[in-house]
Amino acid sequence: DQQVKQNSPSLSVQEGRISILNCDYTNSMFDYFLWYKKYPAEGPTFLISISSIKDKNEDGRFTVFLNKSAKHLSLHIVPSQPGDSAVYFCAASAGSNTGKLIFGQGTTLQVKP
Amino acid sequence: NAGVTQTPKFQVLKTGQSMTLQCAQDMNHEYMSWYRQDPGMGLRLIHYSVGAGITDQGEVPNGYNVSRSTTEDFPLRLLSAAPSQTSVYFCASSYERRGLQYFGPGTRLTVL
Repeated sequence: DQQVKQNSPSLSVQEGRISILNCDYTNSMFDYFLWYKKYPAEGPTFLISISSIKDKNEDGRFTVFLNKSAKHLSLHIVPSQPGDSAVYFCAASAGSNTGKLIFGQGTTLQVKP
Repeated sequence: NAGVTQTPKFQVLKTGQSMTLQCAQDMNHEYMSWYRQDPGMGLRLIHYSVGAGITDQGEVPNGYNVSRSTTEDFPLRLLSAAPSQTSVYFCASSYERRGLQYFGPGTRLTVL
């Protein structure tokens, strides 16, 4: 039972355009969401997060949108750069007692020069 | 700060062998976790710890043991390796329960 789903295994965009990565979840108890970026042969690194009390969080070129009624979040990267080419994982946690994160399958983003 | 360190980087085992994957962090984080990454499956939580002496199971705990005797270290033990445990293993730590997690560089394990 995949509680966090990233249905697009890959995405290719042109440099300078917008990249939109999507993530769906099924557990209504999830109240904190994060995006991680991973380069080959490295560990994931934190990118941006959002609490369920918000519907948008922005950090430079990266914006995360949360639609609680649809159980859907998305990551927008504007403008996309070749260095953004990586695997992007969304993750979710429920409550505040455990520190557990549930990850999606990941989406490989390729930004073409 | 070294952050989260993992050893070894690579390991090849034969079926039935045992080994311990080491993980250490120097950030005084209470929360530590082990994940495995498999193609098409993303990162799946194996075990986690909310402090020294306290551990709990994640999504895929079978075949793995953990202990947390100090804040800094969180080793993952494979008692009898199986080919299904071929994967890339990541250790992570966090300074708060729902905070962002810092990941180590990973250990690539192959079980023949």
